[in-house]
Amino acid sequence: GDSVTQMEGPVTLSEEAFLTINCTYTATGYPSLFWYVQYPGEGLQLLLKATKADDKGSNKGFEATYRKETTSFHLEKGSVQVSDSAVYFCALSDRAGTASKLTFGTGTRLQVTL
Amino acid sequence: GAGVSQSPSNKVTEKGKDVELRCDPISGHTALYWYRQSLGQGLEFLIYFQGNSAPDKSGLPSDRFSAERTGGSVSTLTIQRTQQEDSAVYLCASSLFEADTEAFFGQGTRLTVV
Repeated sequence: GDSVTQMEGPVTLSEEAFLTINCTYTATGYPSLFWYVQYPGEGLQLLLKATKADDKGSNKGFEATYRKETTSFHLEKGSVQVSDSAVYFCALSDRAGTASKLTFGTGTRLQVTL
Repeated sequence: GAGVSQSPSNKVTEKGKDVELRCDPISGHTALYWYRQSLGQGLEFLIYFQGNSAPDKSGLPSDRFSAERTGGSVSTLTIQRTQQEDSAVYLCASSLFEADTEAFFGQGTRLTVV
């Protein structure tokens, strides 16, 4: 079945540091890929998405590129802020172009300090 | 409403009792999903409703779990004869259409079975 593997946390960075959170996936077909974020005390929010190979999703300074050849969707940000402290979840959908039946990774907690 | 609303936000129940969890999706959203977030299993898909189609129940862990969606809007997830391993945060999400690429999540119901 489909699966998502993301790096273990927690990840602790100083403000303005470069962030990479690795995500790889296993899926049949051509899934859509997502990064969701959960800020403290809040619900899951969509951060960015990519629906086909080589697409780059971006939002709030975060980027991730759908790499079919390496089955990866790594999250990057050039300069993190304290306000980026949250748990980040990589996910895929079982049907191309939808958010249907998401399979999630285990989440990576990011802590950004001054 | 402005977002997906879930109630109660917290529920403590005794082992063996039945519980009902409620989800009020964003008005006009035709697709509704239930997920479970637990320490041991991460975020897991449970069930998905799309319009008047038969629900996709492929993620329900046992026949003690059931869900219904009345009038294409509010959904109730019922767990019968609760067990301690049912303790988790139950998340509801909705999207405008099945083919939509963004699912909006509620803040969840934290269920504790004692």
